[in-house]
Amino acid sequence: QVQLQESGPGLVKPSETLSLTCDVSGDSITSDYYWGWIRQAPNKGLEWIGNIYHSGSTYYSPSLRSRATISLDTPRNQFSLRLRSVTAADTAVYYCARAAVDLTEFDIWGQGTMVTVSS
Amino acid sequence: DILMTQSPSSLSASLGETVTISCRASQSISTSLNWYQQKPGKAPKLLIYGASNLQSGVPSRFSGSGSGTVFTVTITSLQPEDFATYYCQQAYSLITFGQGTRLEIK
Repeated sequence: QVQLQESGPGLVKPSETLSLTCDVSGDSITSDYYWGWIRQAPNKGLEWIGNIYHSGSTYYSPSLRSRATISLDTPRNQFSLRLRSVTAADTAVYYCARAAVDLTEFDIWGQGTMVTVSS
Repeated sequence: DILMTQSPSSLSASLGETVTISCRASQSISTSLNWYQQKPGKAPKLLIYGASNLQSGVPSRFSGSGSGTVFTVTITSLQPEDFATYYCQQAYSLITFGQGTRLEIK
C-alpha cells in the first residue's frame, strides 16, 4: 500500500531554513497526484503549506509563498519542503500527504514530524 | 483567500447519538469540500470528499452534504472511536481548512 514518511531535523534555529523530505513508497511521485505539505502548530488546527504536481507545478498558501519551496526528487521518489527564515511561529508537526487531482482531497498522509524552532 | 468556518467549535455527545457539524465557506465553492477526522497524536484521516462521497473503508454512519457555501457532516449512532476532532477543507481555490470541531464524549 502507499506510504509516506517525513524526515528531517527536529530542531531548527530562528532565521535558518527548515528542510524536510517525504519518502513515498507504493506509488510513484510521477503518478497523477498532487504531493503536499500541511502543518499543525501545537494544539492548533491544520494549515496547508503547498502542493506540487507530478509535472513540477507548485501551489502555495499565500501566507507562506514568500518563504516556502516544494520540489520533487524523482529518482529517489521523494518530495521536499524548504521553509526559509523560520521563527518560533513555525514550530509545528509537519505532515506530507498525497492528494487526488480532481477534488484535492488528501487521501494518504505521513505520520508527521515535529519541528521546533528554538535557539 | 476562502475562509472556512466550522460550528460548533466543540460539542459533547453520548454514545449512540447523532451529531451534525457544519462548515461554511466565505464564498461559493460548489462541492469542493472534504472532511477529515483527527485523533490525538495521529495524522488526519479522510472521511468524505466532494462534499458527499464516502472515502473507501469509512463506516456508513458518516455522511456529508451541502454545496455552495454551507456543508455538513453527520455521524449517526456515535461509537467510541468517533470522538475526535473534525476538519473541513476547501479545494475550490487553493486549499484552506476549517478551524476544527472537537467532539467529546458526554
